[in-house]
Amino acid sequence: AQSVTQPDIHITVSEGASLELRCNYSYGATPYLFWYVQSPGQGLQLLLKYFSGDTLVQGIKGFEAEFKRSQSSFNLRKPSVHWSDAAEYFCAVGPTSYDKVIFGPGTSLSVIP
Amino acid sequence: DTAVSQTPKYLVTQMGNDKSIKCEQNLGHDTMYWYKQDSKKFLKIMFSYNNKELIINETVPNRFSPKSPDKAHLNLHINSLELGDSAVYFCASQGLQETQYFGPGTRLLVL
Repeated sequence: AQSVTQPDIHITVSEGASLELRCNYSYGATPYLFWYVQSPGQGLQLLLKYFSGDTLVQGIKGFEAEFKRSQSSFNLRKPSVHWSDAAEYFCAVGPTSYDKVIFGPGTSLSVIP
Repeated sequence: DTAVSQTPKYLVTQMGNDKSIKCEQNLGHDTMYWYKQDSKKFLKIMFSYNNKELIINETVPNRFSPKSPDKAHLNLHINSLELGDSAVYFCASQGLQETQYFGPGTRLLVL
């Protein structure tokens, strides 16, 4: 069955430090992979997506993610975190049945000034 | 110009009442979704519509009834509200490669 896991429920980093958020998936073929960010009280915003080609994907706000087929992973990275990056981050995979997307449980990021 | 809009943003109501949430997208997409986000931030798909036709109904109670008058609108009506319905409800529109575009959410509190 298709699924997405985000092993870290909550991560705290200092401002200026590097960040890596983990995402693992289970999918029978090459998936579409997504990272979304949800700031407090807001809707979800697409950070980046992978659907083919270069396995290192650049997104908005200085984020990047790398698709590693051998590890079934799509980890999100940022070299230097800003206080405004504090938010909930969701990894997602698709398409599944009826072209829907499955979201992971989310990782909550706190940033220490 | 907002791509996906929802009204209202906040909804506080008593148990047993009936309420509706409206969603509109101006992206020209054929497929729209309703998601429920619980207090632990878990996102659960409820319904999807493609060009006004129901495609997905994820075993949601019959008290929830989506309606799509045209492909740009997907509304959600909830009858006999229960405490457990308290959550944030997100509308989303789906573009290429299943990319989801989310509305700002409707925060429903049932007292």
